Amino acid sequence: GENVEQHPSTLSVQEGDSAVIKCTYSDSASNYFPWYKQELGKGPQLIIDIRSNVGEKKDQRIAVTLNKTAKHFSLHITETQPEDSAVYFCAASSGSARQLTFGSGTQLTVLP
Amino acid sequence: DSGVTQTPKHLITATGQRVTLRCSPRSGDLSVYWYQQSLDQGLQFLIHYYNGEERAKGNILERFSAQQFPDLHSELNLSSLELGDSALYFCASSAHHRDQGGYTFGSGTRLTVV
Repeated sequence: GENVEQHPSTLSVQEGDSAVIKCTYSDSASNYFPWYKQELGKGPQLIIDIRSNVGEKKDQRIAVTLNKTAKHFSLHITETQPEDSAVYFCAASSGSARQLTFGSGTQLTVLP
Repeated sequence: DSGVTQTPKHLITATGQRVTLRCSPRSGDLSVYWYQQSLDQGLQFLIHYYNGEERAKGNILERFSAQQFPDLHSELNLSSLELGDSALYFCASSAHHRDQGGYTFGSGTRLTVV
């Protein structure tokens, strides 16, 4: 089955700096890669996703890049703000396996 | 409010007991997924139902079972509970079972087994 590895497990940045979280996946059939943000006491919330026919997608301060050859994808957050502090999860799924396989999560702390 | 409702929010029970967790999906969503989140295991897929039928099973223990009812709400039953079953249990829903798209998660049920 699919295996998703996520790094780093914790990340601290100064407010205004950029943050990058990286994930690798094992199943070359995977074609959908969402990112979720989980705040304390809440369920994960979808923040951005990318499909395998696209190399990059941007939504305001967040962007995701996908390298299918290397089987890795990354989340980029620019101009970080304290409210970006949360746990971020990457995930992957293939067309035949609708369920998402999640990475282990990254605790992002934005220091004011 | 995500539109996915999970009850109860918190549950404390003793080892050996049985509990039922409930999930109402977002209006119009036919798929329900259950995930277990523990500190050292991340988000682990348990089971997927689509329009009342089981579609996929993940790392779900035999002591656990689930079903999805005609009104599309789902229940996760956990029996013979052990201390290690303490975790957050999330339900998520999506519109279709094959279209690729993001899930909408509920706020979870925190289960504590003592």
